[in-house]
Amino acid sequence: AQSVTQLDSQVPVFEEAPVELRCNYSSSVSVYLFWYVQYPNQGLQLLLKYLSGSTLVKGINGFEAEFNKSQTSFHLRKPSVHISDTAEYFCAVSAPRAAGNKLTFGGGTRVLVKP
Amino acid sequence: KAGVTQTPRYLIKTRGQQVTLSCSPISGHRSVSWYQQTPGQGLQFLFEYFSETQRNKGNFPGRFSGRQFSNSRSEMNVSTLELGDSALYLCASSLSDSLGYTFGSGTRLTVV
Repeated sequence: AQSVTQLDSQVPVFEEAPVELRCNYSSSVSVYLFWYVQYPNQGLQLLLKYLSGSTLVKGINGFEAEFNKSQTSFHLRKPSVHISDTAEYFCAVSAPRAAGNKLTFGGGTRVLVKP
Repeated sequence: KAGVTQTPRYLIKTRGQQVTLSCSPISGHRSVSWYQQTPGQGLQFLFEYFSETQRNKGNFPGRFSGRQFSNSRSEMNVSTLELGDSALYLCASSLSDSLGYTFGSGTRLTVV
């Protein structure tokens, strides 16, 4: 089985400052990794994904994430946040060969961008 | 290109009733999954359908069921509603395992 831990439940950050959201996963098989964002009263929007290859993944809205296999981490970063980045962010894994297309999510990190 | 459409957006039901939620995936997507989101349990996988067959199922009681039609549209049904079933139910569709899911805006179910 897979599990995902997001180490921070809330992250306050000032506008134009950098932000890092931490994600660690556990799995005995190889996984795909995803970051999703959820704005209030909306569904989830895919920010980026890691399938294989380069460990640095660039996504939409200036976000990027780095896959670290030895530390089983997939942290999300943005060098300069905007007020509009206020949202909840979810890290997720899937293990297609072992568990089909099921996504296992972390508990989420609420980002509050302050002016 | 139309996204994933879920209907209705909001629903209020009484304990003991049953409810059916609908999901229309992105055209061409044959995989449809359902998730329940609650403040206490977070995002939990309900089930996945692919070409009208349930391919995967989460740890939910038998009161939760689903189906997929030949046009890939999917429905989920919850019978004998309990207060704890109040949640945001999210549907997601995918073209393939490696492309990730596109989520709908969800149906917010309130059980009173």
